[in-house]
Amino acid sequence: NAGVTQTPKFRVLKTGQSMTLLCAQDMNHEYMYWYRQDPGMGLRLIHYSVGEGTTAKGEVPDGYNVSRLKKQNFLLGLESAAPSQTSVYFCASSRRDIRNTQYFGPGTRLTVL
Amino acid sequence: TQLLEQSPQFLSIQEGENLTVYCNSSSVFSSLQWYRQEPGEGPVLLVTVVTGGEVKKLKRLTFQFGDARKDSSLHITAAQPGDTGLYLCAVMEYGNKLVFGAGTILRVKS
Repeated sequence: NAGVTQTPKFRVLKTGQSMTLLCAQDMNHEYMYWYRQDPGMGLRLIHYSVGEGTTAKGEVPDGYNVSRLKKQNFLLGLESAAPSQTSVYFCASSRRDIRNTQYFGPGTRLTVL
Repeated sequence: TQLLEQSPQFLSIQEGENLTVYCNSSSVFSSLQWYRQEPGEGPVLLVTVVTGGEVKKLKRLTFQFGDARKDSSLHITAAQPGDTGLYLCAVMEYGNKLVFGAGTILRVKS
């Protein structure tokens, strides 16, 4: 039982490049989330999904897109990376009936030069 | 301004000392959570408090929810190096969004 996994663990991009971060969970959770973590700012919600085929904006959605084609996967895309998107990205999942108990992946450290 | 203010931002203590960290807000919450995050890992839920004045204990960790449900504290007794990490408080906003404080970085030296 792996819980929540994220790939890749590290990535360096040049400004303007694109990439996709993959999140997978094996707990059959309905809800999935993408956060970014920056020093002194805690975790901030980028986008979330309440079910397959459904996504919604969080607190800091600009510059990111997401897709949830399968219940177990949640993808975060950066179409044209900017240095301001240098951060650590965390994926999380939860049950629909216990949304405040979220299980986090190990994170992806992204640097945009 | 952040919804949740955590203090102190950083705490460095010797093994065996006691400490308290705080999570404060001007808003009232139905529940509040504490997470611990170790370097290179994602946050892990420690506890959820739901009742004003509630006290929960997890081994050497004591969590308290304020009577007015606007604040919370985490007290660690006889801290150990394994307690080192980032401690985050969080509340659910608008039913779907978990909002985090900026966290307290704790370093316990042996």
